[in-house]
Amino acid sequence: DTGVSQDPRHKITKRGQNVTFRCDPISEHNRLYWYRQTLGQGPEFLTYFQNEAQLEKSRLLSDRFSAERPKGSFSTLEIQRTEQGDSAMYLCASSPGRGHTEAFFGQGTRLTVV
Amino acid sequence: AQKVTQAQTEISVVEKEDVTLDCVYETRDTTYYLFWYKQPPSGELVFLIRRNSFDEQNEISGRYSWNFQKSTSSFNFTITASQVVDSAVYFCALSVPSGNTPLVFGKGTRLSVIA
Repeated sequence: DTGVSQDPRHKITKRGQNVTFRCDPISEHNRLYWYRQTLGQGPEFLTYFQNEAQLEKSRLLSDRFSAERPKGSFSTLEIQRTEQGDSAMYLCASSPGRGHTEAFFGQGTRLTVV
Repeated sequence: AQKVTQAQTEISVVEKEDVTLDCVYETRDTTYYLFWYKQPPSGELVFLIRRNSFDEQNEISGRYSWNFQKSTSSFNFTITASQVVDSAVYFCALSVPSGNTPLVFGKGTRLSVIA
């Protein structure tokens, strides 16, 4: 078991471009979370999935953000028309079971919008 | 709504000193979980411990210990005989299983252990 895997690790993009990140959770983990972390802050919740169903979305997740988990395995997070304020570390985590127990995090994707 | 406060932004200690990281939480739910995570310079959040609201027993794991006090809504983390490898940002987090609320994190405490 290799843990939660995120790709890419780093992404630099020009303002206005679209970007997509991928997360592969730990095998058989039902829940998958996306968080965003800016410098000096704790992770902020964006959205989560129970299998393929997206159950909750934060107000932080504007219309430019969309997440999918089509087969209940890996997930993608897309940001359209990126803005400089989107620059952050995007963290993915997964957890087993049905409740919000401990989540295991990947190493994150650091996005820089220039 | 749930909230986690870590009042200490940064702490510096000399190696072998003991250090306590404070965490205060807020929730109206009677069933909840509390967590501590470590984020080393590599960036990956590492799970350290989970406690549920019905278990106020303190826990010790090697040099790490946790003090959970419902009366003061605190879940403090102590590192005994700190080492340079303990240098990291430590996050306290809270979750409420009854609803759709996932982990809510504090802003973290940056610990620097100086040799």
